[in-house]
Amino acid sequence: EPEVTQTPSHQVTQMGQEVILRCVPISNHLYFYWYRQILGQKVEFLVSFYNNEISEKSEIFDDQFSVERPDGSNFTLKIRSTKLEDSAMYFCASVQILSGNTIYFGEGSWLTVV
Amino acid sequence: KNEVEQSPQNLTAQEGEFITINCSYSVGISALHWLQQHPGGGIVSLFMLSSGKKKHGRLIATINIQEKHSSLHITASHPRDSAVYICAVRSGGGGADGLTFGKGTHLIIQP
Repeated sequence: EPEVTQTPSHQVTQMGQEVILRCVPISNHLYFYWYRQILGQKVEFLVSFYNNEISEKSEIFDDQFSVERPDGSNFTLKIRSTKLEDSAMYFCASVQILSGNTIYFGEGSWLTVV
Repeated sequence: KNEVEQSPQNLTAQEGEFITINCSYSVGISALHWLQQHPGGGIVSLFMLSSGKKKHGRLIATINIQEKHSSLHITASHPRDSAVYICAVRSGGGGADGLTFGKGTHLIIQP
């Protein structure tokens, strides 16, 4: 069974610090996503990525967030200056093609900002 | 912006019962996903629907595009089915649009 892998599984960081969350999508997938879930709340879309550029982003994905695919396999989410309200589970997901394809989620990276 | 509503929010049932979870959305979509989230947090895709009905083992998912409504059914429920079930939709706008999620239905199956 193919899987999306995420690292770290859990990170604690000081407010104002930069954080990079890493994801390795499934190798033949073309569309990549970051979602977040604040504790006790619903999952929210952050950003989608296709053909080496951002395809869509939500209003949550402001200037403190960035994504990149530096080496053709990893897909990273960077938070430049973390705030307390960035504490959440961050999920990476990938899809092979949009129509008729299953979306695969990673196990998540739990970020705690203190 | 699509609004996704699920009901019930919480459901406790006895092993063997037939379970139905409902999802409604406000704007036309290109696809609807049913997802399962376990206590550890991981999310697994159960179904992706754009029309009709799909079945996988004891799980059945249906969608009515005209009524903007989908249901997830679990037959012969088992304690291992206990999880949060989430409905999520992709808008009809095309492109790599992100999913809009419902709040989830917390299901507990008691032995």
